[in-house]
Amino acid sequence: DAKTTQPPSMDCAEGRAANLPCNHSTISGNEYVYWYRQIHSQGPQYIIHGLKNNETNEMASLIITEDRKSSTLILPHATLRDTAVYYCIVKSNFGNEKLTFGTGTRLTIIP
Amino acid sequence: EAGVTQFPSHSVIEKGQTVTLRCDPISGHDNLYWYRRVMGKEIKFLLHFVKESKQDESGMPNNRFLAERTGGTYSTLKVQPAELEDSGVYFCASSPHPGTSGRAAGELFFGEGSRLTVL
Repeated sequence: DAKTTQPPSMDCAEGRAANLPCNHSTISGNEYVYWYRQIHSQGPQYIIHGLKNNETNEMASLIITEDRKSSTLILPHATLRDTAVYYCIVKSNFGNEKLTFGTGTRLTIIP
Repeated sequence: EAGVTQFPSHSVIEKGQTVTLRCDPISGHDNLYWYRRVMGKEIKFLLHFVKESKQDESGMPNNRFLAERTGGTYSTLKVQPAELEDSGVYFCASSPHPGTSGRAAGELFFGEGSRLTVL
């Protein structure tokens, strides 16, 4: 898997948009960008994924740059419950390839 | 739809004892994964089942760890004998076949984890 680089920590005010960056400069053409998060004491939770187009679901938006070397996860209106470690992972869509977690970004939502 | 369930939620054992962790995946999910997080470290892959077959066990740390998935339903992860460094949280995840479910191959559903403490 291509490696990703994320800031170790970020703060965001409650109610504001949280923008979490990720660099994946060595991503290959068949690799997707996945985002997961782990809220304290819970299992990791899938958030969103994309290949090259921007994606949006009920949890978040994913913006991928045109060259696919970086992406940003956007939580549009952060709440205290969004405090978690967020992981950006690149992975091909072959089912046999494992999901590899890095160190992620610890996002703290400030009241 | 019931999620991935893991049992026990927390186990405290002494060094040298045996512990068996159980994972019940979401019904119909062919893929089952075990991951673990030891204190202060990243979440690490242990192994991957496709139905009852081990697809990838490259992350299993040593032969004290034995995973099974008889019948392709629930899975167990046995640690025998347990050592201090085995302490951590063991996560199970499952996913459907991407070709038939419409879901991406990397969209895994994780359980809440089993916390193992070895004294």
